[in-house]
Amino acid sequence: GAVVSQHPSWVICKSGTSVKIECRSLDFQATTMFWYRQFPKQSLMLMATSNEGSKATYEQGVEKDKFLINHASLTLSTLTVTSAHPEDSSFYICSARQQGGIYGYTFGSGTRLTVV
Amino acid sequence: QKEVEQNSGPLSVPEGAIASLNCTYSDRGSQSFFWYRQYSGKSPELIMSIYSNGDKEDGRFTAQLNKASQYVSLLIRDSQPSDSATYLCAVTDGQNFVFGPGTRLSVLP
Repeated sequence: GAVVSQHPSWVICKSGTSVKIECRSLDFQATTMFWYRQFPKQSLMLMATSNEGSKATYEQGVEKDKFLINHASLTLSTLTVTSAHPEDSSFYICSARQQGGIYGYTFGSGTRLTVV
Repeated sequence: QKEVEQNSGPLSVPEGAIASLNCTYSDRGSQSFFWYRQYSGKSPELIMSIYSNGDKEDGRFTAQLNKASQYVSLLIRDSQPSDSATYLCAVTDGQNFVFGPGTRLSVLP
């Protein structure tokens, strides 16, 4: 089955520093990957759609200069949280779907980011 | 705006009972429907998919789809405490993939 690997699983960083989160599709090629953020007891919130070889599409209200997305290959997308602040502390989850579009998305295991 | 709606819950059922989770969607062009389970602090995992009207059974889970009513449900038979989680309904038209807000299920021992 489709497997999406996400690293790191958790990270603690100081305010003002940047953190990079990687999302890899292990056994399929993903032209599109998605980045979500989830605060405690809240639903998934789509942050951006990552497209291989082109710019990401950001949802309204998501700062593209703060959340840098790079999708350089068909199996890797990265999310960099720049100049992190405590309010950026959240659970970040990536997902990808196999080509065809009608199949379900596979989620990475998530990254819990704590900014201190 | 394509919408997927679910009752946020919590839905509480006793152990061994049937849990019924419901989802409605707004886009009549939707083709595929999915149920994900998310445990607290974990990422969602796919448990069921359904593409045509009717019922689809997989173990203790049954997904039901009614495209005319734009309604999809998930039944969990013989509910166990380990089924306690948030269940997310997701719908796609082949291009856009939209999640519902999730229903929190609590199975009481």
